[in-house]
Amino acid sequence: QKEVEQNSGPLSVPEGAIASLNCTYSDRGSQSFFWYRQYSGKSPELIMFIYSNGDKEDGRFTAQLNKASQYVSLLIRDSQPSDSATYLCAVPYGNNRLAFGKGNQVVVIP
Amino acid sequence: DGGITQSPKYLFRKEGQNVTLSCEQNLNHDAMYWYRQDPGQGLRLIYYSQIVNDFQKGDIAEGYSVSREKKESFPLTVTSAQKNPTAFYLCASSRQGLGQPQHFGDGTRLSIL
Repeated sequence: QKEVEQNSGPLSVPEGAIASLNCTYSDRGSQSFFWYRQYSGKSPELIMFIYSNGDKEDGRFTAQLNKASQYVSLLIRDSQPSDSATYLCAVPYGNNRLAFGKGNQVVVIP
Repeated sequence: DGGITQSPKYLFRKEGQNVTLSCEQNLNHDAMYWYRQDPGQGLRLIYYSQIVNDFQKGDIAEGYSVSREKKESFPLTVTSAQKNPTAFYLCASSRQGLGQPQHFGDGTRLSIL
């Protein structure tokens, strides 16, 4: 099974600031990466995916891939209270399986 | 609207009882999955199915059973052999092929009476 690590503790950011999350992965051959947002008590929602051919921006979210260091980042610009959630990183492996990190909790302080 | 429907939202199990969680999707996805999530924990894969009439054990299959008789449906039974069933159960589906994202239902919260 692939290893996906999200090690940092809860991240508190002021409203309007940039939240930065990192996810490291063990398989150097990984080609695609997913970010899910999970509100408390709810199910995960896919918010961003990135493939090995570069960074991706979608609204206030940017995903950046650093293949040399084997990590993928998620930046949330102009953070809003509605961004307060747990963010899960996922990496495909095997046939149709995803390895999930344990998630990073983000708290946006108004 | 296409999506994944899980029912019920809340379920209570008595000692020695089997309970079945429903998962239905109308996304025409071939692959379906069951995960378990405990408080403050990540997602752990219970079972998955890539095609009708076939399924594989995930990382924590003991005490659970599934069936995949129809493409749209992938019910999960939590048997009495699962001694610690209290958790949030999530069903997901995806297209076939490496690198496909999974989409989740709203989940079922199972508790012990």
